[in-house]
Amino acid sequence: QSVLTQPPSVSGAPGQRVTISCTGSFSNIGARYDVHWYQQLPGTAPRLLIYGDTNRPSGVPDRFSGSKSGTSASLAIAGLQSEDEADYYCQSYDSSLRSTVFGGGTKLTVL
Amino acid sequence: QVTLRESGPALVRPTQTLTLTCTFSGFSLSTSGMCVSWIRQPPGKALEWLARIDWDDDKYYSTSLKTRLTISRDTSKNQVVLTVTNMDPLDTATYYCARQMMGGSKPFDFWGQGALVTVSS
Repeated sequence: QSVLTQPPSVSGAPGQRVTISCTGSFSNIGARYDVHWYQQLPGTAPRLLIYGDTNRPSGVPDRFSGSKSGTSASLAIAGLQSEDEADYYCQSYDSSLRSTVFGGGTKLTVL
Repeated sequence: QVTLRESGPALVRPTQTLTLTCTFSGFSLSTSGMCVSWIRQPPGKALEWLARIDWDDDKYYSTSLKTRLTISRDTSKNQVVLTVTNMDPLDTATYYCARQMMGGSKPFDFWGQGALVTVSS
C-alpha cells in the first residue's frame, strides 16, 4: 500500500472533465511538501505533468491543472481526449520516512 | 538536451546481485543541486522510489530496502550505479533512473526509458 492514496481508476467521455485525488497525511502533503503529477502512457516512462502543486512544464496543455488543500491534492483534466488515456501518479516527500513517495496510480479511461 | 539511459542484465537468478548503470548527458552530477534517483515499477503496479545520490555525494535510500541497496556515481563517466543484493522474484520490475534538482521533494523532470529486470531461476 502506497503512502499517498489515489483512486485505482477514473473514467470520462471525450470533452468531459475529470479529477484524480491524491490523499496523504501530515508528514507529507500536510507538511506542505510539493506535489507533482506524472502521466504514463502504456509501455513508456512517466512524464512530468504538473510540478510544485500547480505548475505545468513547457509543452503540457493547459487542459491539465493541479491543486492542493490540507493533506490532499488533485489533478484535473478538462476537455478529455482519447490520448489522455493513461496511468497518472502523484509524488511528494515524506518527512517521517525521509523519502520521496508516490501514489498508487490511477488509470484513466476515456469512454 | 538531457537524456538518461539504463543498462544492465535483463535476467537475474534469485539470490544474485543486480547491478544497473544509468548513463546520462546534458547535465553534470557535480553541479550544485543535481540529483539522480532510481525508481522501479513491477509489472502492472505502482512506481516505487529506491535511492538517490546528490551532487555532493550524499546518498539516500528507501527505508524498506536500504539494507540491500547501494548507489554510487562516476562523475567522469556521467554514470550512476545501483546495486541490489539478494534478488528475489518480487524484485522483477522495470527500473528507471531519473533526474531531480535540489532534493527529494522536487519533481523528476527527466526519465530514462527504463530497463526490465526479471528475476527467475
